[in-house]
Amino acid sequence: AQSVTQLGSHVSVSEGALVLLRCNYSSSVPPYLFWYVQYPNQGLQLLLKYTSAATLVKGINGFEAEFKKSETSFHLTKPSAHMSDAAEYFCAVSEPGAAGNKLTFGGGTRVLVKP
Amino acid sequence: NAGVTQTPKFQVLKTGQSMTLQCAQDMNHNSMYWYRQDPGMGLRLIYYSASEGTTDKGEVPNGYNVSRLNKREFSLRLESAAPSQTSVYFCASSERPSGGLNEQFFGPGTRLTVL
Repeated sequence: AQSVTQLGSHVSVSEGALVLLRCNYSSSVPPYLFWYVQYPNQGLQLLLKYTSAATLVKGINGFEAEFKKSETSFHLTKPSAHMSDAAEYFCAVSEPGAAGNKLTFGGGTRVLVKP
Repeated sequence: NAGVTQTPKFQVLKTGQSMTLQCAQDMNHNSMYWYRQDPGMGLRLIYYSASEGTTDKGEVPNGYNVSRLNKREFSLRLESAAPSQTSVYFCASSERPSGGLNEQFFGPGTRLTVL
């Protein structure tokens, strides 16, 4: 069975500072990996995804993530935080070839951006 | 395109009451999903429908039933609501499953409280 661990349920950063959100996964096969963002009172939207092409993946709004197989990690970064980045972020995995394209989510990390 | 729509947005039920959450998508997607979101637990899959005419259990199916009414619509029914079902419910859809490559598109959610 797959599982996803996001270290830190809450992260506080200053505007302009680096944003680093950690995600580690457990999977019997190299998975597909996703980062989603949820703004207050909204549904989730895709930030970026890793599907075994390049290990460094660039997404929307200046975010990027690096797949490291040896560390079973897929950490999300943004060099300079903006107030509009305040949201909850979810890491998710799916198993290639599995029926139904199902996602397994981590517990989420809420980001607070201080002026 | 409206994307994924859900009704109602909010609902309060008494223990033992029943209700149906409605979901529709206008992207001609084959697969649809129901998740529940609880604090610190991320999103957990309740049921999914890989294609029209099929439904399968996810991680937390107990107390729920689903109907894939047609390609566009996928409803979630609570036959006898319990306080443990207080949660935010999200519907999602994706294109034809292709080994986990396709992202899921999420609706805005239904906030359900069971007293």
